[in-house]
Amino acid sequence: GENVEQHPSTLSVQEGDSAVIKCTYSDSASNYFPWYKQELGKGPQLIIDIRSNVGEKKDQRIAVTLNKTAKHFSLHITETQPEDSAVYFCAAMKGSARQLTFGSGTQLTVLP
Amino acid sequence: NAGVTQTPKFRILKIGQSMTLQCTQDMNHNYMYWYRQDPGMGLKLIYYSVGAGITDKGEVPNGYNVSRSTTEDFPLRLELAAPSQTSVYFCASSSDSSYNSPLHFGNGTRLTVT
Repeated sequence: GENVEQHPSTLSVQEGDSAVIKCTYSDSASNYFPWYKQELGKGPQLIIDIRSNVGEKKDQRIAVTLNKTAKHFSLHITETQPEDSAVYFCAAMKGSARQLTFGSGTQLTVLP
Repeated sequence: NAGVTQTPKFRILKIGQSMTLQCTQDMNHNYMYWYRQDPGMGLKLIYYSVGAGITDKGEVPNGYNVSRSTTEDFPLRLELAAPSQTSVYFCASSSDSSYNSPLHFGNGTRLTVT
């Protein structure tokens, strides 16, 4: 089955700096890659996603890049703010949501 | 709009006890899912349902049961609780299973089995 590895497990940045979280996947048939943000005591919430026919997608301060050849994708957050502090999960999907495999999560802390 | 509602938020069980984790959604979604989240691990799919009366196993179904008698409700049953079931449980829903339909998660139930 699919295996998704996520790095780093923890990341601390100064407010205003950029943060990058990286994920690799194993199954070349995976074709959809969402990113979720989980705040303390809450469920994960989709923040951005990318399909396999696209190399990059941006939404204001967040962007995701995908390298299908290398089978890795990354989340980029620019101009970080304290409210960006949360756990971020990457995931890879093949076909349907029941085949959604999550990474192990990254605890991002934005220091004021 | 409440979205996906899970109860209880917290629960402590003794080994061998049983309980039902409740999940209800008000978005008229056909698809519903149960995940567990262990420390330092990603979410693992326990069971899912594609509509009322239809359920199927996910990646880690052992020790759990589900039912889907209505579109709104998708309870998860633990019959004989074991310490290995200590985890945070998330229920989610989506209108279909494609990437056009993102998952909506509840806020979770933190379960401890001692």
